[in-house]
Amino acid sequence: DAGVTQSPTHLIKTRGQHVTLRCSPISGHKSVSWYQQVLGQGPQFIFQYYEKEERGRGNFPDRFSARQFPNYSSELNVNALLLGDSALYLCASSWGGSSYEQYFGPGTRLTVT
Amino acid sequence: GENVEQHPSTLSVQEGDSAVIKCTYSDSASNYFPWYKQELGKRPQLIIDIRSNVGEKKDQRIAVTLNKTAKHFSLHITETQPEDSAVYFCAACSGNTPLVFGKGTRLSVIA
Repeated sequence: DAGVTQSPTHLIKTRGQHVTLRCSPISGHKSVSWYQQVLGQGPQFIFQYYEKEERGRGNFPDRFSARQFPNYSSELNVNALLLGDSALYLCASSWGGSSYEQYFGPGTRLTVT
Repeated sequence: GENVEQHPSTLSVQEGDSAVIKCTYSDSASNYFPWYKQELGKRPQLIIDIRSNVGEKKDQRIAVTLNKTAKHFSLHITETQPEDSAVYFCAACSGNTPLVFGKGTRLSVIA
């Protein structure tokens, strides 16, 4: 079945660089949420987009930004990377604009050196 | 904002026994409580969820109970199998607030 897809799978970047992560939601889903998962912790909310509008933002610095495209896919951008940004970045999609019934993609493992 | 506490952090059970994982939440406005299973290197998988107008929900060997008064909910897995071994996360939200996750429970089912 066509679940949530994310690219790339893995990424290695150097401190200070910029990164763009991509997500395609389940067909028919109009909402995308981004999460950061540090090893040994639960996912932490970064952004939610619904119908191309930002619906929510978590407690992350302005270095983090995102957008949603007309086809409901989404990008997460992180500028001026820090070592502490190393994590698994997860995208989740849901049908409506609420936080109910979110389905996760496989994630992008970001390593900052 | 919402705060979700999850216990225990690790749990080992013999194959065939039951496993129970408990979570508490702080925001009385929360009305949606999903459980996710995450195997090593895999995506979190939604395995069951419950809304605040329901006290219990079952799906084969998995059940979730909710006590709104005490603000806690639990995951019950019966007749555990080795493939149940994974990290389980609880979460809570209202419809208009983000999902807040617990820190996870590493379940090991010993054959």
